[in-house]
Amino acid sequence: GESVGLHLPTLSVQEGDNSIINCAYSNSASDYFIWYKQESGKGPQFIIDIRSNMDKRQGQRVTVLLNKTVKHLSLQIAATQPGDSAVYFCAESPYGQNFVFGPGTRLSVLP
Amino acid sequence: DAGITQSPRHKVTETGTPVTLRCHQTENHRYMYWYRQDPGHGLRLIHYSYGVKDTDKGEVSDGYSVSRSKTEDFLLTLESATSSQTSVYFCAIGGLAGSEYQETQYFGPGTRLLVL
Repeated sequence: GESVGLHLPTLSVQEGDNSIINCAYSNSASDYFIWYKQESGKGPQFIIDIRSNMDKRQGQRVTVLLNKTVKHLSLQIAATQPGDSAVYFCAESPYGQNFVFGPGTRLSVLP
Repeated sequence: DAGITQSPRHKVTETGTPVTLRCHQTENHRYMYWYRQDPGHGLRLIHYSYGVKDTDKGEVSDGYSVSRSKTEDFLLTLESATSSQTSVYFCAIGGLAGSEYQETQYFGPGTRLLVL
């Protein structure tokens, strides 16, 4: 597959452990955030989103935390599985404006 | 891929030739986008459309043009391809018909373009 990012930061976790992927966003006016997962050779896949009026949102095995004070977003994946291996990136959107995407973090799940 | 197809999926072309990439959606979303993805960069917006015949430039629009004659189709044209346009191109859709906001974006499978 193509290289989504040759020099992305990499997070290696043991299968079954929890993963935490972080994202620092740039615009204090951003009010909507999305986490995407991208596997090699595929398009980005929506995982979970959160609006700025929330601090936390949970999905199936995933939780997104938003800290507006320090402009920080995190994605927590519970009981990480081999199928979770991918590049994860966040996207931020100021009200009604186009998204800005981070470069991503590569998650590697070790057996 | 949320009812989004892109064609072709792979293309090799020569410098100076025109290239058109097609994005087709079956979801009736108002907004459609073209992004490029390159190593070391996040997705970068080329052009987007907020309705039939309504388009606007994104961050990296130089050398690209777009057209949207139907809700379901969004075309990206490289008028005269250059090696710097070698990239993976993604189409995305967002915002249901009637929505005022762009909302969540869903991506297509991508087109890998190599310009020699």
